[in-house]
Amino acid sequence: DTAVSQTPKYLVTQMGNDKSIKCEQNLGHDTMYWYKQDSKKFLKIMFSYNNKELIINETVPNRFSPKSPDKAHLNLHINSLELGDSAVYFCASSPHTRGGRTEAFFGQGTRLTVV
Amino acid sequence: GDSVTQMEGPVTLSEEAFLTINCTYTATGYPSLFWYVQYPGEGLQLLLKATKADDKGSNKGFEATYRKETTSFHLEKGSVQVSDSAVYFCALSDQGNTGKLIFGQGTTLQVKP
Repeated sequence: DTAVSQTPKYLVTQMGNDKSIKCEQNLGHDTMYWYKQDSKKFLKIMFSYNNKELIINETVPNRFSPKSPDKAHLNLHINSLELGDSAVYFCASSPHTRGGRTEAFFGQGTRLTVV
Repeated sequence: GDSVTQMEGPVTLSEEAFLTINCTYTATGYPSLFWYVQYPGEGLQLLLKATKADDKGSNKGFEATYRKETTSFHLEKGSVQVSDSAVYFCALSDQGNTGKLIFGQGTTLQVKP
């Protein structure tokens, strides 16, 4: 039983296209996140939702738009893809309302390659 | 703002060698501290955690102690195996109560037979 699952695992697309990455968690957690891992493996948070409410929106181009239809799902839509968007995107969830000091559980990642 | 600094990698060891990966942090207050591991082609898995000063987290032979006086959370293992080859990330929880994790830059460990 996969706890945090993302689809697709790999995504290759051309510049200028629009694409979406889907994430679902079956852990019953209140909070979900999107992190970006660059080519040097550095991880940085992009967005966080708590019970469908956006609570973190880091400095991310507005071509990136998260959507949370319910607390078990957090999708990431990217418009007008650019070469620099190539990265691995990780979805994560954590159990405490408004975050707290607990760990996050991560999905397998989506490797996005823009050509 | 809060930050985490890890030792530069890659770290290359022979099997059964002793491992230390240094991690220091800068934070106001008392964050929780974590070590995550990323095996090749996979996502991040929580390895261990500590939520207050002097706590020791341990799992799969790995240990780390939350040292407030030195603001450190060094990862250690007494005898590494080839299967421990991975990227290791030190992280702290954001003080703003959002659950946001702030990661170090990651340290690649390669264990040779």
